[in-house]
Parts: sequence; structure tokens; C-alpha cells
Amino acid sequence: QAGLTQPPSVSKGLRQTATLTCSGNHNNVGNQGATWLQQHQGRPPKVLTYRNNSRPSGISERFSASRSGSTASLTITGLQPEDEADYFCSAWDSDLRAWLFGGGTKLTVL
Amino acid sequence: EVFLVESGGGLVQPGGSLRLSCAASGFDFSRYGMNWVRQAPGKGLEWLSHISGPGTPIYYADSVKGRFTMSRDNAKNSMYLQMTNLRDDDTAFYYCARGTLDYWGQGSLVTVSS
Repeated sequence: QAGLTQPPSVSKGLRQTATLTCSGNHNNVGNQGATWLQQHQGRPPKVLTYRNNSRPSGISERFSASRSGSTASLTITGLQPEDEADYFCSAWDSDLRAWLFGGGTKLTVL
Repeated sequence: EVFLVESGGGLVQPGGSLRLSCAASGFDFSRYGMNWVRQAPGKGLEWLSHISGPGTPIYYADSVKGRFTMSRDNAKNSMYLQMTNLRDDDTAFYYCARGTLDYWGQGSLVTVSS
């Protein structure tokens, strides 16, 4: 199955705002939005947002998701050193009957 | 609180079989579809299979179709992944995840090596 498209890397300064993108099509991101996950080295993935912009309890309001057409975005405000991690998006594809993942974006906080 | 705990991973030879389990708690298990997702060392996430709440339908990724079988036992709040004809490139952490991927387990490592 084909995957979603994410930029391999993004670099931003401390306390700045980073916006990560995830592109798909009308069968996946454009249909039901995206789930965003954060993963630190050697740790399991942690869900940041799902169903477009629902946040699990304990996830900071600095993380917010949005969608425009078939592109989903994760915005992280007030960047902190601990935000340096890999970020993955995922979306259910109604045509393929499969969850698709992006290749991940490595966020560096300068 | 939702908990998902994988078990059953380990070292297996190429061509061998292994059965992973995922024990769920903290939610009405039978009402949720469930998924298996894996991550090879240093690689991204790969979805493997989805099973609906009642047990059917079940969907598989092309990479494991015909070799892996997903099942669930709602009475035991558990789901399973039977893996056969394992290959070196099946080496990965295997995660179970609820429905819309909103909750994940900690993962179980499967190493396929002679």
C-alpha cells in the first residue's frame, strides 16, 4: 500500500512554532483526517491528536491538528527541547481498507 | 484508564512461527476495532492488520497477507497475531493499537534470525 507524504525533517528554534504537514488524498486524509504520533528514540509512539484534533488526556495544548483538503497539519507552539522527536501521521484509507502511515518527520529544536 | 499489553515476542528462526497476544483493559473491548502495527529497527511505522469489534471483517497489509492471521477473543479482552513463515525482514517491534490508533501498547520485540 502507498503511504502518506511527510517532509523528512524540520528545524525550528526554541519557543518558536513548527508546522508539520502530511499529504494524502480524498480516500484517506481528505476523508477522515489524520492521527498524529510522537516518538522519541527508543520509546513507543505516543498519540498527540486523533480524529483531526482530539487530544488524549495529558497531551499539551501546544499540540494542535488541522486539515485543509487532503493535507493534514500538526502545529506545535512554544517549542521545547523535549519536542525534539520523530512525528508520524496516519489515516484510514476507505478505498484500500488499510491504515496508511507517513514516513515520519524528524523535528529538531535549535 | 486504557491499557494495552503485548506479549509473545522473542527470537525465532526464519521460516518459523510465533503468536503475539494483546491484553486490553479499561474500555469496552468488544465495541472497538483493533490493529497491529510494527516498526523495524530504525524504520517507520507499518500497519499490518485490523479486526472489527465482532471479529469480522479483518483487513491485512499486502506484506503479511497469507502469512499472518489476526483474531480476537472478546470474552478474554484479548486479540492475537499468528505469524507464520517468518522472514528476516519481519524483525520489528509489534504494537497493538485501538480502533482509530488512539491508544497503543508498549510493544513486543520479534527477532527473526538463524
